[in-house]
Amino acid sequence: DAMVIQNPRYQVTQFGKPVTLSCSQTLNHNVMYWYQQKSSQAPKLLFHYYDKDFNNEADTPDNFQSRRPNTSFCFLDIRSPGLGDAAMYLCATSRAETAVDTEAFFGQGTRLTVV
Amino acid sequence: AQKVTQAQTEISVVEKEDVTLDCVYETCDTTYYLFWYKQPPSGELVFLIRRNSFDEQNEISGRYSWNVQKSTSSFNFTITASQVVDSAVYFCALSEAAGGFKTIFGAGTRLFVKA
Repeated sequence: DAMVIQNPRYQVTQFGKPVTLSCSQTLNHNVMYWYQQKSSQAPKLLFHYYDKDFNNEADTPDNFQSRRPNTSFCFLDIRSPGLGDAAMYLCATSRAETAVDTEAFFGQGTRLTVV
Repeated sequence: AQKVTQAQTEISVVEKEDVTLDCVYETCDTTYYLFWYKQPPSGELVFLIRRNSFDEQNEISGRYSWNVQKSTSSFNFTITASQVVDSAVYFCALSEAAGGFKTIFGAGTRLFVKA
Protein backbone atom coordinates (compact mmCIF):
# COMPACT_ATOMS: atom_id res chain seq x y z
CA ASP A 1 0.00 0.00 0.00
CA ALA A 2 1.30 3.40 -0.94
CA MET A 3 2.35 5.42 2.08
CA VAL A 4 3.20 8.68 0.35
CA ILE A 5 0.68 9.53 -2.34
CA GLN A 6 1.07 12.25 -4.89
CA ASN A 7 -1.69 13.57 -7.09
CA PRO A 8 -1.84 13.86 -9.95
CA ARG A 9 0.85 11.66 -11.47
CA TYR A 10 0.94 13.85 -14.55
CA GLN A 11 0.02 17.52 -14.72
CA VAL A 12 -0.02 19.77 -17.74
CA THR A 13 -0.31 23.48 -17.12
CA GLN A 14 -0.10 26.58 -19.21
CA PHE A 15 2.77 29.01 -19.02
CA GLY A 16 2.01 31.46 -16.21
CA LYS A 17 -1.09 29.64 -14.93
CA PRO A 18 -0.91 28.76 -11.22
CA VAL A 19 -0.79 25.08 -10.45
CA THR A 20 -0.96 23.08 -7.24
CA LEU A 21 0.51 19.65 -6.63
CA SER A 22 -0.61 17.60 -3.66
CA CYS A 23 0.95 15.04 -1.39
CA SER A 24 -0.53 12.98 1.41
CA GLN A 25 1.02 10.50 3.79
CA THR A 26 -0.24 7.71 5.98
CA LEU A 27 2.99 7.39 7.97
CA ASN A 28 2.29 10.18 10.48
CA HIS A 29 5.80 11.51 9.90
CA ASN A 30 6.81 14.88 11.24
CA VAL A 31 8.78 15.99 8.23
CA MET A 32 7.57 16.47 4.68
CA TYR A 33 9.80 17.49 1.79
CA TRP A 34 9.37 18.73 -1.75
CA TYR A 35 12.08 17.97 -4.28
CA GLN A 36 12.37 19.02 -7.90
CA GLN A 37 14.01 16.55 -10.26
CA LYS A 38 14.80 17.53 -13.82
CA SER A 39 15.65 14.98 -16.45
CA SER A 40 18.78 12.96 -15.65
CA GLN A 41 19.55 15.08 -12.61
CA ALA A 42 19.54 14.54 -8.88
CA PRO A 43 16.51 15.52 -6.85
CA LYS A 44 16.93 19.06 -5.58
CA LEU A 45 15.37 20.03 -2.27
CA LEU A 46 13.00 22.99 -2.53
CA PHE A 47 11.76 23.16 1.06
CA HIS A 48 10.61 21.06 3.94
CA TYR A 49 8.27 21.21 6.92
CA TYR A 50 9.05 19.98 10.37
CA ASP A 51 5.51 19.80 11.71
CA LYS A 52 4.30 23.34 10.92
CA ASP A 53 7.74 24.90 10.77
CA PHE A 54 8.59 25.80 7.21
CA ASN A 55 12.19 25.66 5.97
CA ASN A 56 12.94 27.15 2.59
CA GLU A 57 16.15 26.41 0.71
CA ALA A 58 18.10 29.56 -0.05
CA ASP A 59 18.01 29.03 -3.80
CA THR A 60 14.35 28.08 -4.11
CA PRO A 61 12.64 30.66 -6.33
CA ASP A 62 9.84 32.77 -4.84
CA ASN A 63 7.60 31.32 -7.51
CA PHE A 64 7.41 28.16 -5.41
CA GLN A 65 5.30 28.12 -2.27
CA SER A 66 4.09 25.40 0.02
CA ARG A 67 1.29 24.75 2.49
CA ARG A 68 0.89 22.09 5.11
CA PRO A 69 -2.59 22.33 6.61
CA ASN A 70 -2.16 19.22 8.75
CA THR A 71 0.24 16.35 9.36
CA SER A 72 -1.04 14.29 6.48
CA PHE A 73 -1.12 16.77 3.63
CA CYS A 74 1.34 19.06 1.96
CA PHE A 75 0.89 21.17 -1.18
CA LEU A 76 3.29 22.68 -3.65
CA ASP A 77 2.04 25.84 -5.33
CA ILE A 78 3.77 27.19 -8.40
CA ARG A 79 2.44 30.70 -8.83
CA SER A 80 3.52 31.40 -12.39
CA PRO A 81 5.03 28.32 -14.00
CA GLY A 82 7.69 28.88 -16.60
CA LEU A 83 9.03 26.44 -19.15
CA GLY A 84 12.02 25.87 -16.90
CA ASP A 85 9.77 24.55 -14.15
CA ALA A 86 8.89 21.45 -16.13
CA ALA A 87 10.19 18.59 -14.01
CA MET A 88 9.28 15.70 -11.79
CA TYR A 89 8.22 16.90 -8.35
CA LEU A 90 8.81 14.47 -5.56
CA CYS A 91 7.23 14.54 -2.13
CA ALA A 92 8.91 12.72 0.72
CA THR A 93 8.46 12.21 4.43
CA SER A 94 10.69 11.23 7.30
CA ARG A 95 10.01 10.50 10.91
CA ALA A 96 11.91 13.37 12.46
CA GLU A 97 14.90 15.51 11.75
CA THR A 98 16.96 14.25 14.63
CA ALA A 99 15.84 10.65 14.90
CA VAL A 100 18.11 7.77 14.07
CA ASP A 101 15.76 6.68 11.32
CA THR A 102 16.11 9.65 9.03
CA GLU A 103 15.56 7.94 5.71
CA ALA A 104 13.01 9.58 3.51
CA PHE A 105 10.02 7.79 2.01
CA PHE A 106 9.08 9.07 -1.41
CA GLY A 107 5.91 9.26 -3.40
CA GLN A 108 5.80 8.35 -7.06
CA GLY A 109 6.12 11.94 -8.11
CA THR A 110 4.14 14.32 -10.25
CA ARG A 111 5.53 15.01 -13.68
CA LEU A 112 4.76 18.61 -14.58
CA THR A 113 4.66 19.77 -18.17
CA VAL A 114 4.39 23.47 -18.98
CA VAL A 115 3.01 24.40 -22.36
CA ALA B 1 29.73 21.85 3.26
CA GLN B 2 27.48 19.00 2.23
CA LYS B 3 28.17 17.35 -1.10
CA VAL B 4 27.77 13.98 -2.78
CA THR B 5 29.62 12.92 -5.93
CA GLN B 6 28.83 9.93 -8.08
CA ALA B 7 31.44 9.80 -10.80
CA GLN B 8 29.87 6.92 -12.70
CA THR B 9 27.14 8.17 -15.01
CA GLU B 10 26.14 4.79 -16.46
CA ILE B 11 27.16 1.20 -15.86
CA SER B 12 26.19 -1.77 -17.99
CA VAL B 13 26.59 -5.36 -16.79
CA VAL B 14 25.37 -8.78 -17.76
CA GLU B 15 22.97 -10.55 -15.45
CA LYS B 16 24.63 -12.41 -12.56
CA GLU B 17 27.67 -10.16 -12.57
CA ASP B 18 28.53 -8.27 -9.43
CA VAL B 19 28.50 -4.49 -9.74
CA THR B 20 29.82 -1.76 -7.46
CA LEU B 21 28.51 1.79 -7.48
CA ASP B 22 30.86 4.48 -6.21
CA CYS B 23 30.03 7.47 -4.06
CA VAL B 24 32.21 10.13 -2.47
CA TYR B 25 30.79 12.40 0.16
CA GLU B 26 31.88 15.64 1.76
CA THR B 27 30.78 16.76 5.17
CA CYS B 28 32.08 18.93 7.97
CA ASP B 29 29.74 17.35 10.49
CA THR B 30 30.60 14.50 12.82
CA THR B 31 27.02 13.24 12.85
CA TYR B 32 25.65 12.31 9.46
CA TYR B 33 23.84 9.60 7.58
CA LEU B 34 24.56 8.06 4.22
CA PHE B 35 21.94 6.41 2.04
CA TRP B 36 21.49 4.59 -1.20
CA TYR B 37 18.21 4.98 -3.06
CA LYS B 38 16.97 3.23 -6.18
CA GLN B 39 14.82 4.96 -8.77
CA PRO B 40 13.22 2.52 -11.24
CA PRO B 41 11.56 3.75 -14.42
CA SER B 42 8.29 4.24 -12.52
CA GLY B 43 9.93 7.23 -10.86
CA GLU B 44 9.52 6.49 -7.17
CA LEU B 45 12.69 6.73 -5.10
CA VAL B 46 13.06 3.61 -2.99
CA PHE B 47 15.19 3.61 0.14
CA LEU B 48 17.72 0.77 0.12
CA ILE B 49 20.24 1.21 2.90
CA ARG B 50 21.41 3.65 5.55
CA ARG B 51 24.63 4.00 7.41
CA ASN B 52 25.35 6.49 10.17
CA SER B 53 28.63 8.18 10.93
CA PHE B 54 29.23 6.06 14.00
CA ASP B 55 28.87 2.70 12.30
CA GLU B 56 32.12 0.81 12.20
CA GLN B 57 31.16 -2.35 10.37
CA ASN B 58 30.54 -2.77 6.70
CA GLU B 59 27.34 -4.65 6.11
CA ILE B 60 25.53 -7.07 3.91
CA SER B 61 21.81 -7.37 3.36
CA GLY B 62 20.77 -10.02 0.89
CA ARG B 63 22.38 -9.21 -2.44
CA TYR B 64 23.33 -5.70 -1.27
CA SER B 65 26.49 -4.79 0.57
CA TRP B 66 28.05 -1.45 1.38
CA ASN B 67 31.45 -0.30 2.30
CA VAL B 68 32.47 2.96 3.93
CA GLN B 69 36.05 4.17 3.87
CA LYS B 70 36.23 7.25 6.08
CA SER B 71 39.82 7.92 5.03
CA THR B 72 38.66 8.54 1.46
CA SER B 73 35.05 9.58 2.29
CA SER B 74 33.74 6.86 0.04
CA PHE B 75 30.48 4.97 0.44
CA ASN B 76 30.34 2.24 -2.17
CA PHE B 77 27.41 -0.03 -2.85
CA THR B 78 27.65 -3.51 -4.33
CA ILE B 79 24.94 -5.63 -5.88
CA THR B 80 25.89 -9.28 -6.00
CA ALA B 81 24.58 -11.51 -8.79
CA SER B 82 22.78 -8.66 -10.52
CA GLN B 83 19.35 -9.21 -12.05
CA VAL B 84 17.49 -7.43 -14.83
CA VAL B 85 15.13 -5.97 -12.23
CA ASP B 86 18.08 -4.14 -10.70
CA SER B 87 18.15 -1.85 -13.73
CA ALA B 88 17.46 1.62 -12.39
CA VAL B 89 19.13 4.86 -11.40
CA TYR B 90 20.89 4.63 -8.06
CA PHE B 91 21.38 7.70 -5.92
CA CYS B 92 23.78 8.13 -3.07
CA ALA B 93 22.58 10.63 -0.48
CA LEU B 94 23.78 12.38 2.65
CA SER B 95 22.07 14.06 5.56
CA GLU B 96 23.87 16.03 8.26
CA ALA B 97 22.82 16.88 11.77
CA ALA B 98 24.09 20.43 11.26
CA GLY B 99 21.94 20.73 8.16
CA GLY B 100 18.79 19.71 9.98
CA PHE B 101 19.07 16.25 8.47
CA LYS B 102 17.77 17.32 5.11
CA THR B 103 18.83 14.83 2.48
CA ILE B 104 20.90 15.85 -0.52
CA PHE B 105 21.57 13.57 -3.44
CA GLY B 106 24.37 12.77 -5.82
CA ALA B 107 23.76 12.97 -9.55
CA GLY B 108 22.92 9.29 -9.80
CA THR B 109 24.32 6.28 -11.63
CA ARG B 110 22.19 4.57 -14.24
CA LEU B 111 22.61 0.80 -14.08
CA PHE B 112 21.68 -1.41 -17.01
CA VAL B 113 21.56 -5.13 -16.36
CA LYS B 114 21.29 -7.14 -19.53
CA ALA B 115 19.89 -10.64 -19.68
